[in-house]
Amino acid sequence: DAGVTQSPTHLIKTRGQQVTLRCSPISGHKSVSWYQQVLGQGPQFIFQYYEKEERGRGNFPDRFSARQFPNYSSELNVNALLLGDSALYLCASSLTGLNLYNEQFFGPGTRLTVL
Amino acid sequence: AQSVAQPEDQVNVAEGNPLTVKCTYSVSGNPYLFWYVQYPNRGLQFLLKYITGDNLVKGSYGFEAEFNKSQTSFHLKKPSALVSDSALYFCAVRDGGAFGNEKLTFGTGTRLTIIP
Repeated sequence: DAGVTQSPTHLIKTRGQQVTLRCSPISGHKSVSWYQQVLGQGPQFIFQYYEKEERGRGNFPDRFSARQFPNYSSELNVNALLLGDSALYLCASSLTGLNLYNEQFFGPGTRLTVL
Repeated sequence: AQSVAQPEDQVNVAEGNPLTVKCTYSVSGNPYLFWYVQYPNRGLQFLLKYITGDNLVKGSYGFEAEFNKSQTSFHLKKPSALVSDSALYFCAVRDGGAFGNEKLTFGTGTRLTIIP
C-alpha cells in the first residue's frame, strides 16, 4: 500500500504570494494533520482534520488555513507568505482522529522556500 | 501545556556499542510517548510508542525505549548500534488529558552518528 503522499516536493515562492500544499493519506485513514518543520527544529503542529472537520489548531496566524475533502485528502493554504514561512511542511495521517493511541504516519514533506 | 526536551543535540557512538538517546517530557494528563526517526530529505518514520503497561517498549529495527514516570523520561535505546542508525531522532508526546485531537509535541531532535 502507498504511504502518505504530498505534492509538490519542492516549491519556491516570493514574499506576499500564496501557496497550496496537498496531501493524500494512507488508504483507510480518515485523519490528517499538518506540521511545520523549520530547519534545526522539531515539527510544530499546525492543524488536524478528521471527517472534514477541524479537530485541532496550533499557534499559527490566520494566514494559515486548511481543509479536508470527502476522499480524506487535504490542502494546506498559506497566504501573504513571509520569509519565516520557509520550512518543510509535513502531512501525517492516522486511522481515526479520536484515538489517542494511534501513531501518525508521515509523508515525505513539501520543502517551501520563500524568497 | 505539554512539552518535550531532548538535552543532547548530537550523540556519537561507535558501531557495535549500545546507544541511548535521551528524552524528558511534561504533560498535565497521562503521557502518550512516541519516537520517530528522520533520514535526510525524508519524512518522519515511526519507531515505537508507549501508551500504558510495561515500561520497556520494543519497536522497529531493534530499538526499545524505557518509560520512567518518576523521572518523566522516555529514553531510546539499542543494544548494538549500526552505521545505518545514523539519523535525526525525535521524541514526541501527546497529552492523554487533551481529548479530541492528535496533536503531537516534538522535541528539537537529536542527531545520532554511528562511527564505523
